[in-house]
Amino acid sequence: QKEVEQDPGPLSVPEGAIVSLNCTYSNSAFQYFMWYRQYSRKGPELLMYTYSSGNKEDGRFTAQVDKSSKYISLFIRDSQPSDSATYLCAMSARGSTLGRLYFGRGTQLTVWP
Amino acid sequence: DGGITQSPKYLFRKEGQNVTLSCEQNLNHDAMYWYRQDPGQGLRLIYYSQIVNDFQKGDIAEGYSVSREKKESFPLTVTSAQKNPTAFYLCASRPDLDRVAGYTFGSGTRLTVV
Repeated sequence: QKEVEQDPGPLSVPEGAIVSLNCTYSNSAFQYFMWYRQYSRKGPELLMYTYSSGNKEDGRFTAQVDKSSKYISLFIRDSQPSDSATYLCAMSARGSTLGRLYFGRGTQLTVWP
Repeated sequence: DGGITQSPKYLFRKEGQNVTLSCEQNLNHDAMYWYRQDPGQGLRLIYYSQIVNDFQKGDIAEGYSVSREKKESFPLTVTSAQKNPTAFYLCASRPDLDRVAGYTFGSGTRLTVV
């Protein structure tokens, strides 16, 4: 079983739709949760960062973490064609000596006008 | 502007050749990482380095080698022992182990075997 599971999609929605992206994980030591956005042939860029459980909102983006269910989500409101990208969830354990992130496979999102 | 520069953007390798991918950062970050990305497989860790002259194998280090002679530089060599090297390679850095969200990625190098 992979440490982080993410449905690769692809996901195609019309402009203005609410998008829900999800990841599950198996390692209960994970405490840092991130969402990265990656445009085609580019490096990932950090979109949202959450520590432990709870919600975090930034503009049209909301990240949710449910540690009891080992489940994280990213919601995009009023989606735009410029949101078309691959979204990667990533997580890390507190005090990890590696400082490494564990990534999901990424979900490819297309928002059509 | 500070950031990570990866070069070249595209690289073609013949069978049996070694090639080296460059990664340079001017962020004064301590830790640097190399990831490999294949379609539908996410990012897999190849090597990482926490300080100069020290590096550790990641999950898929076979067929790869690295060096860390300077804080700013972390080149990756793909050797002929790597049987399936065609992939997108990403270099990343972070300032210290306590700042988990401080990962910065380069723009990647796409390597193709011809």
